[in-house]
Amino acid sequence: DQQVKQNSPSLSVQEGRISILNCDYTNSMFDYFLWYKKYPAEGPTFLISISSIKDKNEDGRFTVFLNKSAKHLSLHIVPSQPGDSAVYFCAASPPDRGSTLGRLYFGRGTQLTVWP
Amino acid sequence: DVKVTQSSRYLVKRTGEKVFLECVQDMDHENMFWYRQDPGLGLRLIYFSYDVKMKEKGDIPEGYSVSREKKERFSLILESASTNQTSMYLCASSSPGRDEQFFGPGTRLTVL
Repeated sequence: DQQVKQNSPSLSVQEGRISILNCDYTNSMFDYFLWYKKYPAEGPTFLISISSIKDKNEDGRFTVFLNKSAKHLSLHIVPSQPGDSAVYFCAASPPDRGSTLGRLYFGRGTQLTVWP
Repeated sequence: DVKVTQSSRYLVKRTGEKVFLECVQDMDHENMFWYRQDPGLGLRLIYFSYDVKMKEKGDIPEGYSVSREKKERFSLILESASTNQTSMYLCASSSPGRDEQFFGPGTRLTVL
């Protein structure tokens, strides 16, 4: 059973506009959330993260919002650029290091396409 | 600069062959992970290890085994490759207490 869900497999946005990628989770124990970006034939690279004690984290064009009550997070990219075209994975981390030992739970990913 | 390397970028094997995928990290990380990525299924955890000679099953360990004889190296073994193991295999590593995982470039395995 998937604990992290990305319900939109794809998103298409015009260059310069905002991209909003969504992620839902079911495990209320998750206390840290990450977004990864993946280009074809490359490994995922870390993009941005947020702790459960915050509701927003910003890094340049990328902002992640966390709504704990809704168990929902979103990644905003403003303005979107063609180079942002990639698969974006949402991931969550539980606090119990003893049994989970640093593992992350990933969503299935959203393919973002930014067109000129 | 942190680095995770995987022995092959592309690999073609025949059904029934034993396959070894190697992963090496130079960051002195304790935790190492093996995932496979398939279209529409995202990243699925096969096995992970939090110390030398230690291993834990992930979500899809069937048909796979792992070996961690040295801290920097984590091997994924397909005991008898099957066509449904055709996939992109990704290795990652992380430090205890740090959630961010660093990924290698992946190995595209095709089993004929």
